[in-house]
Amino acid sequence: SQELEQSPQSLIVQEGKNLTINCTSSKTLYGLYWYKQKYGEGLIFLMMLQKGGEEKSHEKITAKLDEKKQQSSLHITASQPSHAGIYLCGAERMNRDDKIIFGKGTRLHILP
Amino acid sequence: KAGVTQTPRYLIKTRGQQVTLSCSPISGHRSVSWYQQTPGQGLQFLFEYFSETQRNKGNFPGRFSGRQFSNSRSEMNVSTLELGDSALYLCASSLGGIPSGNTIYFGEGSWLTVV
Repeated sequence: SQELEQSPQSLIVQEGKNLTINCTSSKTLYGLYWYKQKYGEGLIFLMMLQKGGEEKSHEKITAKLDEKKQQSSLHITASQPSHAGIYLCGAERMNRDDKIIFGKGTRLHILP
Repeated sequence: KAGVTQTPRYLIKTRGQQVTLSCSPISGHRSVSWYQQTPGQGLQFLFEYFSETQRNKGNFPGRFSGRQFSNSRSEMNVSTLELGDSALYLCASSLGGIPSGNTIYFGEGSWLTVV
């Protein structure tokens, strides 16, 4: 089974609306990364969270890591067409086995 | 500061051939990781190199190999290509090794199509 589950898999939102993407792990995580990807291109780093309860914001995007460090949410306020793309969460596991695992991504479409 | 550079960006190979992909990390970064991305499996970890040493390897067959040079540049090689190897191959670099909490930056990827 996938260690990092992202929900929803796909999201269609009217421009200007808020939205939330979730990333859930069955195991405690050491670090949680959020990336954005345009189809067929590389991953653009958004944010990294390490501490339980941590919250970071950049422009209209806010990411939180829960206290138990097993779930993270990415919230976009007043969505714009430029927010469209695939959002991926990645994580280092607490056993620190030297690799990052990724969820399968959430595909976000913004309707004008 | 230049980002992670991957070459070539696109290539087409036939079954049975081999391919070498190259990755130049951000200047000063010593860790390079490789990932395979496919629609069905998503992003899957191939291997990570730090200071020319392979520190971890994912669950891929021995046909997938890599190396890192003293300047931190890395190459990955896939021998005896199969149709299922068609994918976007992504390289990522970070200042320290994993795990370290360092930000990990990705390149644009190399699109490999096997026919």
